[in-house]
Amino acid sequence: GQQVMQIPQYQHVQEGEDFTTYCNSSTTLSNIQWYKQRPGGHPVFLIQLVKSGEVKKQKRLTFQFGEAKKNSSLHITATQTTDVGTYFCAVMNSGYSTLTFGKGTMLLVSP
Amino acid sequence: SAVISQKPSRDICQRGTSLTIQCQVDSQVTMMFWYRQQPGQSLTLIATANQGSEATYESGFVIDKFPISRPNLTFSTLTVSNMSPEDSSIYLCSVEGELRETQYFGPGTRLLVL
Repeated sequence: GQQVMQIPQYQHVQEGEDFTTYCNSSTTLSNIQWYKQRPGGHPVFLIQLVKSGEVKKQKRLTFQFGEAKKNSSLHITATQTTDVGTYFCAVMNSGYSTLTFGKGTMLLVSP
Repeated sequence: SAVISQKPSRDICQRGTSLTIQCQVDSQVTMMFWYRQQPGQSLTLIATANQGSEATYESGFVIDKFPISRPNLTFSTLTVSNMSPEDSSIYLCSVEGELRETQYFGPGTRLLVL
């Protein structure tokens, strides 16, 4: 299946600071998806990026897909304690309907 | 979006026993998936549950250890057989989302094997 590297593994910020997590692939992706998992919860779909260079926003969250469709980022502006959780990127496995998830970035926000 | 329920939500089991986890969806779906998430780790796909045929297992997972049933388009079960402490994980079912190639996840089953 596909391989995707996600960094950082963990980040601890003060409330109000910004946060960014990155996903990188060695191969061109058809699309990339982002999920959020709250502590004790299950992954929840956030967004799907399909087009080269695509940028999508959801309130304080900004998602980008690289021009070469090999990398993506999720940026949170002015973090809040409600942003706490693990953010996963996920990519489709070529020829299948299955997903491969990155290792995730755990975000901790201190008030 | 689909509403997914899983039973049990959590369980503590003795090694050597088996546990069957149920996944119920409120609408008919073609694709259902089973994942394992070990403590502090990412999600690993166990298998795709196909209605009317055998499940498709990922590398490292076998039917004897993780038998799966998919009797209809709204229901699936995953059995964790002959459990060992290494099987302690969260087991999640998911279904295809409204957007093609995305997925909705159930609440998960938290399993501890002693």
